Amino acid sequence: KQEVTQIPAALSVPEGENLVLNCSFTDSAIYNLQWFRQDPGKGLTSLLLIQSSQREQTSGRLNASLDKSSGRSTLYIAASQPGDSATYLCAVLNNAGNMLTFGGGTRLMVKP
Amino acid sequence: GAVVSQHPSWVICKSGTSVKIECRSLDFQATTMFWYRQFPKQSLMLMATSNEGSKATYEQGVEKDKFLINHASLTLSTLTVTSAHPEDSSFYICSARGLRLVKETQYFGPGTRLLVL
Repeated sequence: KQEVTQIPAALSVPEGENLVLNCSFTDSAIYNLQWFRQDPGKGLTSLLLIQSSQREQTSGRLNASLDKSSGRSTLYIAASQPGDSATYLCAVLNNAGNMLTFGGGTRLMVKP
Repeated sequence: GAVVSQHPSWVICKSGTSVKIECRSLDFQATTMFWYRQFPKQSLMLMATSNEGSKATYEQGVEKDKFLINHASLTLSTLTVTSAHPEDSSFYICSARGLRLVKETQYFGPGTRLLVL
């Protein structure tokens, strides 16, 4: 059974800092890995999707990497802003494409 | 493209009543829809997977008689929480996967918050 762990569970940083969120998974037989953002009481916003054959994806100030063999992914946020404050979820899709397993999330607070 | 909506966004009901939540794919045909539940400060847990025109597949520990799922068309799935109790209070999120979209990618709805008094 796939297990996804995110570290840290919570993070508070001053505005402008670069930061790294970590995600690890136990079964490396994945189809893809996705990072989501969730604001309080809201649904999910997809940030980046990395296919199993890819090593990284970039969108603006966000960069996500994937090391499938070691079961790790990182989300790098450059020059953090207060508007980045949210919960960030990592989710792994199994090879069969029918089970998306979520990590527990990292609650990020960027202080002005 | 690939927009998924949910209705209602908020529902408050008395214990013992049944609540229906709709999940619609607005601009694509959803061959598969997924229902998740999220308790406060916890992550999403898959409840069930439904394919259009067939019975839903429930995850272990999810009561199929309590959480009725119907996926009668390629754009609509419904989740009915029967005889709701306070412990059913949660955030319910659906997602949909469809043809002619990024393969195997699920597109998420905005969620429905259920509060059972």
